[in-house]
Amino acid sequence: NAGVTQTPKFQVLKTGQSMTLQCAQDMNHEYMSWYRQDPGMGLRLIHYSVGAGITDQGEVPNGYNVSRSTTEDFPLRLLSAAPSQTSVYFCASSSRGESRVAGEQYFGPGTRLTVT
Amino acid sequence: EDQVTQSPEALRLQEGESSSLNCSYTVSGLRGLFWYRQDPGKGPEFLFTLYSAGEEKEKERLKATLTKKESFLHITAPKPEDSATYLCAVRPSGTYKYIFGTGTRLKVLA
Repeated sequence: NAGVTQTPKFQVLKTGQSMTLQCAQDMNHEYMSWYRQDPGMGLRLIHYSVGAGITDQGEVPNGYNVSRSTTEDFPLRLLSAAPSQTSVYFCASSSRGESRVAGEQYFGPGTRLTVT
Repeated sequence: EDQVTQSPEALRLQEGESSSLNCSYTVSGLRGLFWYRQDPGKGPEFLFTLYSAGEEKEKERLKATLTKKESFLHITAPKPEDSATYLCAVRPSGTYKYIFGTGTRLKVLA
């Protein structure tokens, strides 16, 4: 199993450009999520999905868009990049956590994004 | 409001010097509390899940415990390879949202 994969690993954008960060998992997990990690702020939830066709907003969704057409893939779209979106982005997946299972998350290696 | 606070922010230990990291949480109901390890430039790596007060989990030199208000990650006789940032997260009941603390940066000196 490859686990959770993310592409690209590094990206530099100019203000106003758009792009898509890719995330895929091969563990058949229903739950997938996107976080951003900034110094001193910890991991903050951007968007999440509990299954194909179902997405919802997290703590910091503005400026980002997601869709979930398959169980495996959960891309994150930056609509019009801003310097405030400079960050490290992590994708994670887990089982939905039915019954007594809370659903530990498995993280990808991250995408380091710089917006100039 | 659900929140997670970790302390200390940073900790330096000599090899073999045992210590504990703290994770205090406030949630309306707890579905699970998670500990992760994060190495520089990498994604967090899952360590433990705790579900209810009184529960304990162990893995090598690490032991996680849980009360109704906080969790501790005890590190016994640490080695330099234990140096990393340790993250705590909670999943409140009735939600699929996970809330992370800001982490404790641990440095173990040889």
